Parts: sequence; C-alpha cells; structure tokens
Amino acid sequence: AQTVTQSQPEMSVQEAETVTLSCTYDTSESDYYLFWYKQPPSRQMILVIRQEAYKQQNATENRFSVNFQKAAKSFSLKISDSQLGDAAMYFCAYRSGVTGNQFYFGTGTSLTVIP
Amino acid sequence: AAGVIQSPRHLIKEKRETATLKCYPIPRHDTVYWYQQGPGQDPQFLISFYEKMQSDKGSIPDRFSAQQFSDYHSELNMSSLELGDSALYFCASSLGQSRGYTFGSGTRLTVV
Repeated sequence: AQTVTQSQPEMSVQEAETVTLSCTYDTSESDYYLFWYKQPPSRQMILVIRQEAYKQQNATENRFSVNFQKAAKSFSLKISDSQLGDAAMYFCAYRSGVTGNQFYFGTGTSLTVIP
Repeated sequence: AAGVIQSPRHLIKEKRETATLKCYPIPRHDTVYWYQQGPGQDPQFLISFYEKMQSDKGSIPDRFSAQQFSDYHSELNMSSLELGDSALYFCASSLGQSRGYTFGSGTRLTVV
C-alpha cells in the first residue's frame, strides 16, 4: 500500500519569511496525484496545491509552490512571504491515478507563523 | 504498526436506507475525526470526538449521527441516504486534539 510521510510534526516561520514543509511517499505506481491541504482550526480541508505525477514542472499557486522530485518520491511545499493566515495544519496527500479513488494522507505538519 | 481501521471498505446502499460506518483508531488515540470527500471535492469535516465526547462539529447533516464508544472506536450512522451521500468517508485519529492525525483508508459509500 502507498504511504505518505510527513516527518515534521511542527514548524515555525517568521512572518514574511519562507518555509518548506517536507513530504515523502512510497508507491509503485507511475500514475498518481499529490496534494497539499491546509487545515485551519475549523478543521475543514482546503486544497492548497496539486501536482500530477506525469508533469515535470512544479506546480505553483501564488505564494505556494512545490518541489516535486519523482525519483526521490518527495513532494515538499514552499510557502513564500509567510502570512499570519498561513498558520494551520498542513497535510500531504497521495491519490492513485489508477484506481482514482484511494487517498492516502500524511500525519500533518502544524505550521506556526511568528509575527 | 497498527493503523486506523475503517470498515467496511466499500458499501452500497439504496436511497432512504441506513448505513453505519466504523472507525477503529490507533491504540491509545483518544480523538477521532470524520471527513466526507465527494468525487472531485476536498475532504469536508463532519464531526470529531475527544474522550468519547463530541468536540467539534462541521458540516454534518442532521440525518447523520456519530458517537465514540468506551473503547474509543467511533461509528457514523447515516439515515435516509441520498444519492449525494455517495462519497469517500475518512476517519482519522490522534492523541489529543492538537497532535498530528493518522488517517484510515476510508469507506467508499455508494448510494443507488
């Protein structure tokens, strides 16, 4: 089965600085999707960014970008110009492109933004 | 290592029927969360329990109810099922409410 590992339970960043959240995964599939979700205190999951495994170009959404290293099975999230509103739990997730239904989540990284 | 166990993995129900989804957290985890993820949608938080008491409530319909039992497992009861209830239902557990989560593999509910 696929596994998703987030090795940083907690991270902190100074406001306006850049922080990188790590995520690694294990799979034997070649077709899959990777996601970063943000979870504010409301516990809702908000999609931050998504990456298709077949795309070599790293996905970018405004201040959020990923470093997708397919061979290393690494999918880190970089948050630039961190804002107070970025403080949340961040989950990395994997979805099979074969079955299409199964999601696998990491255990989350709690990000604190220091004013 | 033991993970979060959800049962059943797949469930097919007809409209207006009732379904019960079960979640067995990691041993010693005292907090359980339920999420619903429709096709192509982000996971929606439904409800959570801490030490057998409801701790947070999200967008859980009135037709749904849940509880956490003395052994910390949780059940999500869904009545008067509608086609729109077809989704992947995730359970996650944690030790305390501010720690990292461990998600189960989900239950795929199909309402026909």
